[in-house]
Formats: sequence, C-alpha cells, structure tokens
Amino acid sequence: ETGVTQSPTHLIKTRGQQVTLRCSSQSGHNTVSWYQQALGQGPQFIFQYYREEENGRGNFPPRFSGLQFPNYSSELNVNALELDDSALYLCASSSRASGRLRSYEQYFGPGTRLTVT
Amino acid sequence: GQQLNQSPQSMFIQEGEDVSMNCTSSSIFNTWLWYKQEPGEGPVLLIALYKAGELTSNGRLTAQFGITRKDSFLNISASIPSDVGIYFCAGQLRYGQNFVFGPGTRLSVLP
Repeated sequence: ETGVTQSPTHLIKTRGQQVTLRCSSQSGHNTVSWYQQALGQGPQFIFQYYREEENGRGNFPPRFSGLQFPNYSSELNVNALELDDSALYLCASSSRASGRLRSYEQYFGPGTRLTVT
Repeated sequence: GQQLNQSPQSMFIQEGEDVSMNCTSSSIFNTWLWYKQEPGEGPVLLIALYKAGELTSNGRLTAQFGITRKDSFLNISASIPSDVGIYFCAGQLRYGQNFVFGPGTRLSVLP
C-alpha cells in the first residue's frame, strides 16, 4: 500500500508569484483535503476534494484553488503569493466510503514547505 | 469558526513517566483523531474515536472520547525518547466534513 506523497518538498517563491503543489493520495482513497500549517500552529483546513469536486472550504480567499484528477491525485494552486502564505502545506487522503466510519480517517503526506520572500 | 483547545501547551517529563493531555471544545464532535507530528514531517494518525465514552488503545497510547462529546484525552504510559513530538487532536462535527485541529501539545522526554 502506497502512502500519501507530496511534491515538491521545499519551494521558495517571491511575493506576487503563483505556485502549484501536488499530492498523490494513498491507494484506495478517493478524498483529498489540504491544510496550511503555520510555524507553531495546528493545521488549518483549506478545502477538500471528493470525486473531482470541491467538497467543503475553510476560511481561505479565492486565490487558493485546487483540482482533483480522475486518479484522485490533487493540486493546490495559490495565486498572488503573500508573505503570510509561508507555511507547511499538508495534504491528507481518506477513503470516504458510505457507512464505514473509519473511512473518514485522514492520513497525511510529509508536506511541502513554502517560503515566500 | 470552531476552535479546539489543548492542554498542556508543552510538557517536559522524565523517561518512564506517564503522560496525560487533553483537548476541549465548546462544540459537540462526532469523531476525534489524535496525531503525532515530528519535525519536518506530516502528522501521523495515532488513534481514532467514534463514540462518546469510547476508550481505545494503540500500544502504550490510550485515548478516550469524552462523555459530553466536547472533549478527548490522550495518555501515554512509560514514556520513551521516541515519544518526543507535537501531539494534535482533531475533531469532526459531522461525518465527511473537515477536521478542526487543536494547537498541539509539545512533549519533551528527558533521559
């Protein structure tokens, strides 16, 4: 069984630029959630994708957008980067099978460390 | 938005001691997850809880779903150096919704 993978591991961007982060979900999982984790804080929910559609969104502006592909992998795009966007971006996958409580358990990838200068 | 509080914020213990930490909220949750995160890595799922009052163990770790459904507890018995890390609780209001994370409890184990 393959775990959640994310790329790139680290990234440095300049304010105003755009960035795309990628996530491959754990095999058998159909749902991907993205989180932003600032230094010293817990992860903050950005949005979730299920069956290639956004299925819930946290308190993040529209310049944070995403995609989910037929193979359940996902992308997080951030436009017009700001200094405060510097954080660890985490992707978590789950299987979301109806009637199975344990399908909602989320498993995280190692994250992408984004630095905006 | 929903907020979770975790206590203590940090703790320093001697190797071999037991550890207790908790997570509280003003909202009722139907699922609690406990994670451990080490530097430079993503959170690793330790225990999942689905019923009020449920007590679940994973090796030396035991977690409980509070009866009020507004809190959860994590205990670690006979701590070892590799227990060092940040422990996060995460609650889910409804099945399929996003999880809300607490700010974490940082655990340090002294030899």
